[in-house]
Amino acid sequence: EAQVTQNPRYLITVTGKKLTVTCSQNMNHEYMSWYRQDPGLGLRQIYYSMNVEVTDKGDVPEGYKVSRKEKRNFPLILESPSPNQTSLYFCASRLAGGITGELFFGEGSRLTVL
Amino acid sequence: KNEVEQSPQNLTAQEGEFITINCSYSVGISALHWLQQHPGGGIVSLFMLSSGKKKHGRLIATINIQEKHSSLHITASHPRDSAVYICAVLDSNYQLIWGAGTKLIIKP
Repeated sequence: EAQVTQNPRYLITVTGKKLTVTCSQNMNHEYMSWYRQDPGLGLRQIYYSMNVEVTDKGDVPEGYKVSRKEKRNFPLILESPSPNQTSLYFCASRLAGGITGELFFGEGSRLTVL
Repeated sequence: KNEVEQSPQNLTAQEGEFITINCSYSVGISALHWLQQHPGGGIVSLFMLSSGKKKHGRLIATINIQEKHSSLHITASHPRDSAVYICAVLDSNYQLIWGAGTKLIIKP
């Protein structure tokens, strides 16, 4: 089954404690992306990756890091989380280049930073 | 002004009604996506359009490239259609620009 898997789905942490949200896709997609969703603001892109070892900033990259060492995985790293990073996070993937096909989203990771 | 605007922001209708959600954009695009987000939070892709019209079950999506406008229609609406519907356009750099979403509630 084609899917994007995120973990953890729910996480409560404290300010400054490093955390990683994992994302894995099984569709051999080149393009992967992280979004955060906050009430009234819709989806905002954090980082994206067009392929292995190629990453770029989205609209709201501050406070986040990513890596793309393998095609299937695209972890989101919060080195020193702060309460303003409390949000619902989504990982997504699709084929890259040109007019692409369907977007596939993970189920979301709800993060609370106290 | 947002580059992708959806209307209405909120829509409440009775079961069985014909529903229309609109998306207007101001940038040149390669394609337009309609997605559905259920109250549980998961996001599902409904359509990707670059021209014309697509139909899947009770859902119909249309796009008018000249007018920079797309519509999502739901026929014979049902309470299970209650969700947030999101429009996103793929710009000339193949990056997605997101609308804010339309929250649809269908009452039995």
